Amino acid sequence: SYELTQPPSVSVSPGQTARITCSGDALPKQYAYWYQQKPGQAPVLVIYKDSERPSGIPERFSGSSSGTTVTLTISGVQAEDEADYYCQSADSSGTFRDVVFGGGTKLTVL
Amino acid sequence: QVTLRESGPALVKPTQTLTLTCTFSGFSLSTSGMCVSWVRQPPGKALEWLALIDWDDDKYYSTSLKTRLTISKDTSKNQVVLTMTNMDPVDTATYYCARLDILTGFDIWGQGTMVTVSS
Repeated sequence: SYELTQPPSVSVSPGQTARITCSGDALPKQYAYWYQQKPGQAPVLVIYKDSERPSGIPERFSGSSSGTTVTLTISGVQAEDEADYYCQSADSSGTFRDVVFGGGTKLTVL
Repeated sequence: QVTLRESGPALVKPTQTLTLTCTFSGFSLSTSGMCVSWVRQPPGKALEWLALIDWDDDKYYSTSLKTRLTISKDTSKNQVVLTMTNMDPVDTATYYCARLDILTGFDIWGQGTMVTVSS
């Protein structure tokens, strides 16, 4: 097993761009996934396989990957985007024999 | 519509065994690429992956908890069961089951069930 490291918090004003990073030595070989979790609710998948967006997720959510770091970008942040965000990785072969979540980042919309 | 619902005791005593059931609908765990997983979240803390069972009945466990966990499925009932032995107060958490599609990740989650470990 290994670790994924996220900043504990990110703050942005409405309309600005929020970038949340996730670092891990195995990320060059593994896909990353991102989940949004609002207080008292279950997580929601917002990005899969580094940069793919599930249906129903607004276009302002995007993902990218570079080396050992993946980034979730939220363009034109809205108040409703205030939540905790978790990255997660899986085996690049497409199986999920060993799943790891990052420690989570609290996004605050000022 | 895909749904998952967790059920089990809200309170267990230390050293007891926890049994949680995930009842799902809208998909078949016999379909290639489909899996069901358990994830927990202690109050105010991060998500922690526990276990996964796939369409082929292969089972995978968190390295740190594998000696205490058992996951199984009943395809005819659309249920996945997780047992965790030797419960401790540090196991107090909300336990989620989630569908995992190997093409898209944990795409549907249950609402979660809070389990408190206390004497």
